[in-house]
Amino acid sequence: DSGVTQTPKHLITATGQRVTLRCSPRSGDLSVYWYQQSLDQGLQFLIQYYNGEERAKGNILERFSAQQFPDLHSELNLSSLELGDSALYFCASSLGRTSGNTIYFGEGSWLTVV
Amino acid sequence: AQTVTQSQPEMSVQEAETVTLSCTYDTSESDYYLFWYKQPPSRQMILVIRQEAYKQQNATENRFSVNFQKAAKSFSLKISDSQLGDAAMYFCASVPAAGNKLTFGGGTRVLVKP
Repeated sequence: DSGVTQTPKHLITATGQRVTLRCSPRSGDLSVYWYQQSLDQGLQFLIQYYNGEERAKGNILERFSAQQFPDLHSELNLSSLELGDSALYFCASSLGRTSGNTIYFGEGSWLTVV
Repeated sequence: AQTVTQSQPEMSVQEAETVTLSCTYDTSESDYYLFWYKQPPSRQMILVIRQEAYKQQNATENRFSVNFQKAAKSFSLKISDSQLGDAAMYFCASVPAAGNKLTFGGGTRVLVKP
């Protein structure tokens, strides 16, 4: 158990819909990262928050947004969903601002868009 | 930009034997970190080992060890005394020391034969 908690574990939704994925980082970790793992794109960095502020942005679509709340949990919002958004979405956390700190992953949220 | 390449899509090893997974990377950074992550069928990403590029000593964690060749930009993972539970996808990843984004290789599937 990495200490990073993600909900829901599985989600099936229709095209055009909106979903929210939730993540609680490990106790004491200030950074939260979101990654997408798909068959064709592999593991891709989406976005990072550090202590409530956006720190780095990767290949995140405009239809996707994220935030980190004062209690440090984070949410990833995916809207106008398309079939190609079906993937495993990981949340990860680390103590500091940079990924050089050991980064721990949650179990992921499986999103299936039908 | 960083790139990570894993040239072996799949490796097979007999239980109790040793297997070595290859990883090469490219970076313009002078300081960076390298990681190996294990992804079993449960799909969770589990940190196996971490190497700091400025340290010449190769990292080890129990039956897992790396051969870090900085000049060659090579970072191979050796799994000794392979166990059935080692069967998984293994991902090599890198991140600049001052950066946020983990760049992953395409993964190597390890099969362990009893």
